[in-house]
Amino acid sequence: AQSVTQPDIHITVSEGASLELRCNYSYGATPYLFWYVQSPGQGLQLLLKYFSGDTLVQGIKGFEAEFKRSQSSFNLRKPSVHWSDAAEYFCAADGEAAGNKLTFGGGTRVLVKP
Amino acid sequence: DVKVTQSSRYLVKRTGEKVFLECVQDMDHENMFWYRQDPGLGLRLIYFSYDVKMKEKGDIPEGYSVSREKKERFSLILESASTNQTSMYLCASSYPGQEIATNEKLFFGSGTQLSVL
Repeated sequence: AQSVTQPDIHITVSEGASLELRCNYSYGATPYLFWYVQSPGQGLQLLLKYFSGDTLVQGIKGFEAEFKRSQSSFNLRKPSVHWSDAAEYFCAADGEAAGNKLTFGGGTRVLVKP
Repeated sequence: DVKVTQSSRYLVKRTGEKVFLECVQDMDHENMFWYRQDPGLGLRLIYFSYDVKMKEKGDIPEGYSVSREKKERFSLILESASTNQTSMYLCASSYPGQEIATNEKLFFGSGTQLSVL
């Protein structure tokens, strides 16, 4: 079945440490890929997106993501986490390969230790 | 500034009640969506609409219906609320015309936390 999977439900990271959130997709072709962030009590905000071309994508708030076709992955990274990065992060897929509707992974909640 | 407004932040209803969740966007977007968000399950699409009076079922439409009488307003209806519909409901909208992906720029409301007792 077509899907987006985020294997980690929770991740705890120390402030200043690096962060990597995993995302795997399962579609017949490569869909368009997105990362969203949801801060407590807020709606979702788009961090970055991948359509084609350069497999390393830069986003807002210092985040980047790397598309790896061979691994069907689109992992999100940040070199140095700030306390304000504590939030829930969602990977999503859209486009013709994904049925032209945005499909989300289960989310990863990030806790930041001082 | 872009805005998607959901009428209630918190809502408490009783089992069997008819529940209306309202969403209004001020961006003249054609596309509007209703998702529910549950821990560990992410966001799941309930219904969506690509035009006035048009609706399409998403992945989990059972127990829900929608109404889109005006372009800016998309209502989610629970005909007879049940406890398993306790959830966070998120409305979103997008404008398809200039984007590569149909839903490249999805704008979300802040959500309605519905509790059904």
